[in-house]
Amino acid sequence: QKEVEQNSGPLSVPEGAIASLNCTYSDRGSQSFFWYRQYSGKSPELIMFIYSNGDKEDGRFTAQLNKASQYVSLLIRDSQPSDSATYLCAVNKPGGTSYGKLTFGQGTILTVHP
Amino acid sequence: DAGVTQSPTHLIKTRGQHVTLRCSPISGHKSVSWYQQVLGQGPQFIFQYYEKEERGRGNFPDRFSARQFPNYSSELNVNALLLGDSALYLCASSLGADSGNTIYFGEGSWLTVV
Repeated sequence: QKEVEQNSGPLSVPEGAIASLNCTYSDRGSQSFFWYRQYSGKSPELIMFIYSNGDKEDGRFTAQLNKASQYVSLLIRDSQPSDSATYLCAVNKPGGTSYGKLTFGQGTILTVHP
Repeated sequence: DAGVTQSPTHLIKTRGQHVTLRCSPISGHKSVSWYQQVLGQGPQFIFQYYEKEERGRGNFPDRFSARQFPNYSSELNVNALLLGDSALYLCASSLGADSGNTIYFGEGSWLTVV
């Protein structure tokens, strides 16, 4: 089992729709959860982070965390063609040799078509 | 304020050669991490340095080494380059070393080994 798994893509949604990106993680000791957006040929850009169970909203983005189910998701409302990118889920577990380490999923490619 | 800066942005090396990649963190950030991202995958953790000490190491061979300088900038060195080392090398900075700190990436250094 991979440490961090994302729903296989690519995901295609029409402009204006809600895009739902999902991520599961295996280590129950994980405490911090991040969503990064990566445009082709560019570096990852932090979109949101979440530490507590529940929802966290920032503009058109909502991150959801359920530690009991080891599940984190990202919802993008009113999707725009400019949202087309690879979305990376990353998880951080403190302590030991993994101090400060982010473990990434493989990414989900999102395409928003006009 | 400047973000995370990396140099060089692109470079081509021959198998067996050595490469040094450089990174300057965001002003005030004391932690620097290095990641390798091969095409189609999420970034993989290589090293983390905090206050000039190695705090974490990923599953990479001893050909990979790094250090952090008193001004918190960092170098990643890779010896005896292999074709499989071709990747985007990402430097990330954060204020501290623990899981509560958000991590920001530089634009990366694209390494091609021929």
